[in-house]
Amino acid sequence: GQNIDQPTEMTATEGAIVQINCTYQTSGFNGLFWYQQHAGEAPTFLSYNVLDGLEEKGRFSSFLSRSKGYSYLLLKELQMKDSASYLCAVTPGWGKLQFGAGTQVVVTP
Amino acid sequence: DVKVTQSSRYLVKRTGEKVFLECVQDMDHENMFWYRQDPGLGLRLIYFSYDVKMKEKGDIPEGYSVSREKKERFSLILESASTNQTSMYLCASNLSGEGSYNEQFFGPGTRLTVL
Repeated sequence: GQNIDQPTEMTATEGAIVQINCTYQTSGFNGLFWYQQHAGEAPTFLSYNVLDGLEEKGRFSSFLSRSKGYSYLLLKELQMKDSASYLCAVTPGWGKLQFGAGTQVVVTP
Repeated sequence: DVKVTQSSRYLVKRTGEKVFLECVQDMDHENMFWYRQDPGLGLRLIYFSYDVKMKEKGDIPEGYSVSREKKERFSLILESASTNQTSMYLCASNLSGEGSYNEQFFGPGTRLTVL
């Protein structure tokens, strides 16, 4: 079967670092995406990993280990505007995505 | 600027009504998708289309149908709306192919309430 797990909620203070873990078991794997979704808005693309290792993009980094079926999204120097839901999604190919339930990140002053 | 638009942000319908949700993209994407999003369940794929007049069932197609007569437009149809179809509906599109080109672009969503 297909399973993508991520924590339901995480809370951190402004300026801190938060790491959102995602584990997956899927019948096919052709890459892993992270999306950000603010309340009432559409998800927007953050990162894509297909090879093992760390991809850094400003304050956000994403890591992938294919052998462990594991990824994380690292948010550094947290800002209030980072309060949002973060969605982990695996692509088996053909343009399709399989989403986890999302992790709600709450940033406090 | 890439854009996916949906016909309504909010919609209220009665049980048994036929409901049409429209999605239009201006990026000449081959693939289009319909999801529903519910608290604690994430985005679940209802149907997708990889070409005009082509469609494939996603994970939860029961109670829904779709239509793609033109490349830029993908419609979701609730044949007879029921209260358990109250949800946020999101449309997305992307290019066919692999790699980061799989990035899906999402519309703003339609919050449908069935009374």
